[in-house]
Amino acid sequence: GAVVSQHPSWVICKSGTSVKIECRSLDFQATTMFWYRQFPKQSLMLMATSNEGSKATYEQGVEKDKFLINHASLTLSTLTVTSAHPEDSSFYICSTNRDRAGELFFGEGSRLTVL
Amino acid sequence: KNQVEQSPQSLIILEGKNCTLQCNYTVSPFSNLRWYKQDTGRGPVSLTIMTFSENTKSNGRYTATLDADTKQSSLHITASQLSDSASYICVVTYTGGFKTIFGAGTRLFVKA
Repeated sequence: GAVVSQHPSWVICKSGTSVKIECRSLDFQATTMFWYRQFPKQSLMLMATSNEGSKATYEQGVEKDKFLINHASLTLSTLTVTSAHPEDSSFYICSTNRDRAGELFFGEGSRLTVL
Repeated sequence: KNQVEQSPQSLIILEGKNCTLQCNYTVSPFSNLRWYKQDTGRGPVSLTIMTFSENTKSNGRYTATLDADTKQSSLHITASQLSDSASYICVVTYTGGFKTIFGAGTRLFVKA
């Protein structure tokens, strides 16, 4: 069964609004979660590493004020796309692992379309 | 520079045929290498994970090989099925598991 649950699977919003995406680990505590975005026909690009109880670590070029990450509990991390614009339309995926070098479990992804 | 390169970028094969996908990496120090399958519009799903000491690992019709000396891995798919059509991503973890690099993926199309 699924190990990581991501919600919503798809969302359409108007330009200027904010959208929240949730990522939950279902049967274990995840101190670290990863957020990616993926454009059509391209591979996953790591956006940020979410750490429970502390600030997220963002990859170079990713605006932390644009993509707000909250990891308030050991089973939930959220990504909020603030003031979304059409260029933010993408496929957002989260992942986590049980141990540092172990298998990455991915959520099903969230398709964001900004009109 | 730490990199993971996959080839070919895309591949079209007929149902029932075999194919081999390649992954070359330059990361160091190596921790492990995984192959993932990603169906369109879905999250990636793990096929195999290989550590430094492992040369071959199979998962049904999928067989992965690893040559840690030449830093090359391959994913062989036997008797392909239409449902094998997907992107196959090579993911390498290094620095004791702290860092991960994703390959660009190989898009496989299996035709009837």
